[in-house]
Amino acid sequence: NAGVTQTPKFQVLKTGQSMTLQCAQDMNHEYMSWYRQDPGMGLRLIHYSVGAGITDQGEVPNGYNVSRSTTEDFPLRLLSAAPSQTSVYFCASSRTPNTEAFFGQGTRLTVV
Amino acid sequence: GNSVTQMEGPVTLSEEAFLTINCTYTATGYPSLFWYVQYPGEGLQLLLKATKADDKGSNKGFEATYRKETTSFHLEKGSVQVSDSAVYFCALSDRYGGSQGNLIFGKGTKLSVKP
Repeated sequence: NAGVTQTPKFQVLKTGQSMTLQCAQDMNHEYMSWYRQDPGMGLRLIHYSVGAGITDQGEVPNGYNVSRSTTEDFPLRLLSAAPSQTSVYFCASSRTPNTEAFFGQGTRLTVV
Repeated sequence: GNSVTQMEGPVTLSEEAFLTINCTYTATGYPSLFWYVQYPGEGLQLLLKATKADDKGSNKGFEATYRKETTSFHLEKGSVQVSDSAVYFCALSDRYGGSQGNLIFGKGTKLSVKP
């Protein structure tokens, strides 16, 4: 049972480059979300989706895009990487927002 | 808006010591409350939850009681082990208060348990 799979695990980008963080879940969950984790800040919500074709912004959406073409996949796109986007990114899925969330193992991104 | 405040760490304890990590919340509606745990190098996983006032969540020897009168959800364990070393996050989910039911996390408390 794979759960939530994130790729890549580590990435180094140069300022201005773009990239996509992949997230896939095999639990048929409708709700998926992306968080970033920074020291002393906890987890902050970037974007979320309540089902295929529906996405919305979270607390810190600037500089990121998402799409949800299938129930399984929820990629996060960095449009033009900035050093302020250096962080650990987590994807999560759950049946509904207030039921148990399952997290991927995270992507550690460094922007230089 | 909704928010979660938890005690700052790091917390260092000896094995078999009693653990308390304080968590208080602000919410508009009637939130569900959670404790998540993050072991080194891993994602978060649910430790326990409570969905209404006076509910007690429990798992792996950890407990937390949903106290509406004090807006608190403190995490406790009677005897910690080295394997409990991790970062612990308190979180809430509330349909009201602008967060659309999304999880709102505290900043996390790092626990280190020494043999």
